[in-house]
Amino acid sequence: AQKITQTQPGMFVQEKEAVTLDCTYDTSDPSYGLFWYKQPSSGEMIFLIYQGSYDQQNATEGRYSLNFQKARKSANLVISASQLGDSAMYFCAMSFNTNAGKSTFGDGTTLTVKP
Amino acid sequence: NAGVTQTPKFQVLKTGQSMTLQCAQDMNHNSMYWYRQDPGMGLRLIYYSASEGTTDKGEVPNGYNVSRLNKREFSLRLESAAPSQTSVYFCASTQPGAYEKLFFGSGTQLSVL
Repeated sequence: AQKITQTQPGMFVQEKEAVTLDCTYDTSDPSYGLFWYKQPSSGEMIFLIYQGSYDQQNATEGRYSLNFQKARKSANLVISASQLGDSAMYFCAMSFNTNAGKSTFGDGTTLTVKP
Repeated sequence: NAGVTQTPKFQVLKTGQSMTLQCAQDMNHNSMYWYRQDPGMGLRLIYYSASEGTTDKGEVPNGYNVSRLNKREFSLRLESAAPSQTSVYFCASTQPGAYEKLFFGSGTQLSVL
């Protein structure tokens, strides 16, 4: 069975500093996609970044990067130069091409950015 | 471009009442999903539809039914609501096969008293 584990229920970071949110996954399927979504207090789900299991390079999207360590089955999200607007819940998710695109989510990490 | 439209945004039910959550997407996606989010937890899949005319159970299907009315619309029905179904419900869609991200509706806050 596929499983996503986010071990940090809550994290604090000072404004303008970088922060890493941890995500580990468990699957025996060699082909999968890893995603990070942001959920601000308003409740909507916002896509941040994607990494394919066969991608050789770590994904980057602006201030977001994904530290993908396939052997360790980890896909940590790095946010550089944190902003107050980054305060939100962050979810790691995994999907499979053979599974109708279903995604499995972790329990999330609440990030609070301090001024 | 509306994306995924989900209604209603808020709903309060009494135990035993029924209701249907509506979801429509205008992106021509084949796959649609219903998730629930409980406090402090991630999203759990209730039901999904890989394509028009097909539906399958997800992780937590008990107490729910779904209908894929056409390619655009995917509804979730609670036949006899229970307090344990108090949650935030999200509809989502995607075009599988290319590891496309999920497109989410704005969510429905449901309280069952």
